[in-house]
Amino acid sequence: QQPVQSPQAVILREGEDAVINCSSSKALYSVHWYRQKHGEAPVFLMILLKGGEQKGHDKISASFNEKKQQSSLYLTASQLSYSGTYFCGTEGRSNFGNEKLTFGTGTRLTIIP
Amino acid sequence: DSGVTQTPKHLITATGQRVTLRCSPRSGDLSVYWYQQSLDQGLQFLIQYYNGEERAKGNILERFSAQQFPDLHSELNLSSLELGDSALYFCASSVGPQGRSGYTFGSGTRLTVV
Repeated sequence: QQPVQSPQAVILREGEDAVINCSSSKALYSVHWYRQKHGEAPVFLMILLKGGEQKGHDKISASFNEKKQQSSLYLTASQLSYSGTYFCGTEGRSNFGNEKLTFGTGTRLTIIP
Repeated sequence: DSGVTQTPKHLITATGQRVTLRCSPRSGDLSVYWYQQSLDQGLQFLIQYYNGEERAKGNILERFSAQQFPDLHSELNLSSLELGDSALYFCASSVGPQGRSGYTFGSGTRLTVV
């Protein structure tokens, strides 16, 4: 099943913060985050492998709650360059081994000056 | 430039036809993944190859097939095309079979079936 992302879209002014959530109905092994600008390829941001793990670079960070099967992406003091559609990709955990990356439907982030 | 090369960038063809999309992975990457992206479906996983062998299959139609060659480039063949096959097709690559260092995507092939 496809992970559910929320919100579907958000508009921010430069300098504001945003949180994007990703929830799965299945046990997860890992969560990836990607950003896709219009007409371009998705670009890898980070991967979280362990429950409770938090990662970040610049002002973009993410957390992974394995028990709740959720991940959140935090964008702090947003810049115009942060605009784009953010996708989470989840790798499920099953008795047959880890499953392939399944992407959420995306969150469209628009930053205005 | 991500290092993953996809050709052609655009393709317009008629229903019932067959097309081949090509992907060269980033240097050193052994895994190739194919994804289909349409407006209402997001990124849908089609198939993965690792070092020449099929590794995983997603919701790939029987009309679609793929392969990875000894030089690691991959081709996705789409036949008996229908209007609903119109989409952006992405190829991605990763070093290992699990993609734990993330996927690197190519710029995609936009397929329009008329």
